[in-house]
Amino acid sequence: DVKVTQSSRYLVKRTGEKVFLECVQDMDHENMFWYRQDPGLGLRLIYFSYDVKMKEKGDIPEGYSVSREKKERFSLILESASTNQTSMYLCASSGTPTQYFGPGTRLTVL
Amino acid sequence: AQSVAQPEDQVNVAEGNPLTVKCTYSVSGNPYLFWYVQYPNRGLQFLLKYITGDNLVKGSYGFEAEFNKSQTSFHLKKPSALVSDSALYFCAVKNSGYALNFGKGTSLLVTP
Repeated sequence: DVKVTQSSRYLVKRTGEKVFLECVQDMDHENMFWYRQDPGLGLRLIYFSYDVKMKEKGDIPEGYSVSREKKERFSLILESASTNQTSMYLCASSGTPTQYFGPGTRLTVL
Repeated sequence: AQSVAQPEDQVNVAEGNPLTVKCTYSVSGNPYLFWYVQYPNRGLQFLLKYITGDNLVKGSYGFEAEFNKSQTSFHLKKPSALVSDSALYFCAVKNSGYALNFGKGTSLLVTP
């Protein structure tokens, strides 16, 4: 079975802090994704990566950056966290059209 | 742009009754369509997908979905609902790149 893990299930940070969310997959997938999920808005794509060191902006990249130094790991970085970044963050990976998701990180920015 | 719409925010059904969660799509070309389920405070779990072939797709946990090209729909169905099916359901379509575009989700409540 595909396993996608995320570094934290719950995270509380203060405004202005730099925040790292990490995602690891064990299936040697080329593609990895970061989404945020907000009630009534569904999932919105922040960034994705189709290879090591390669990244593409999604629909809402503002305020975020990403890093993919190794194939299995994809990090989402909030350079200076703001309260409007309080959300559920979901990581996914895929080698085919089907994406497999991690358990999510619920981030609260105070 | 490829997109899906889920017209119902919530669907209520009694246990043992059939359930349907609706999804319509708008794509150029042939669609790759997906259904995912999300239980409270969890990530999304893949249920099933349609890429090509038989219009009736069978998936996990007894769910199935019917692809209807003329109505541009991909409704999720189950013949007999369980209380444990209560969850948030997302329809998605593959966009022109690598990512999926998701609907806003439909909350399914199955009552005993």
